[in-house]
Amino acid sequence: EAQVTQNPRYLITVTGKKLTVTCSQNMNHEYMSWYRQDPGLGLRQIYYSMNVEVTDKGDVPEGYKVSRKEKRNFPLILESPSPNQTSLYFCASSPSGGAYEQYFGPGTRLTVT
Amino acid sequence: SQQGEEDPQALSIQEGENATMNCSYKTSINNLQWYRQNSGRGLVHLILIRSNEREKHSGRLRVTLDTSKKSSSLLITASRAADTASYFCATDSSYNTDKLIFGTGTRLQVFP
Repeated sequence: EAQVTQNPRYLITVTGKKLTVTCSQNMNHEYMSWYRQDPGLGLRQIYYSMNVEVTDKGDVPEGYKVSRKEKRNFPLILESPSPNQTSLYFCASSPSGGAYEQYFGPGTRLTVT
Repeated sequence: SQQGEEDPQALSIQEGENATMNCSYKTSINNLQWYRQNSGRGLVHLILIRSNEREKHSGRLRVTLDTSKKSSSLLITASRAADTASYFCATDSSYNTDKLIFGTGTRLQVFP
């Protein structure tokens, strides 16, 4: 089954404790991206990647890091999480960029206390 | 930066009625997409319309695009309770097709 998976689905952590949210797709897509969703603000893009070793900032990249060492994986790293990063996070992939249908993962609900 | 803005923010209708949602955007685009999100779940793609298209249909969905007004509308005909969800438009930019910018969404409630 074609899908995007994220882990963990739920995470409660404390300020400053480094964490990684994994994202993996099995569709051989070139493009992957991360979004955060907050009430009243819709989805905002954090980072995106056009291909392996190619990443670029979205609209809200501060406090986040990403890497794309393999085509299928695109982890999101929070080196020092803060409460304002409490949010619902989505990973998405597509064959190539924003001109194509995006396939979304199920989401990761992160709470930073 | 917010590219797409949906209107209305919330919409409540009865089953069988039509639901219309609007999306306005700011810069020139190559394409516009509509997505549905059921309560806290991942978004599901509904339809993509390119800048050289004016109207597109998919089942009970009808999307229009007016590039001169920088706006799009999504019409759901003969709505069902299962259509209850949030609906988002998303646009790329003719300056950067790598990025996709989502609007804030319309929350649709369909009562049986």
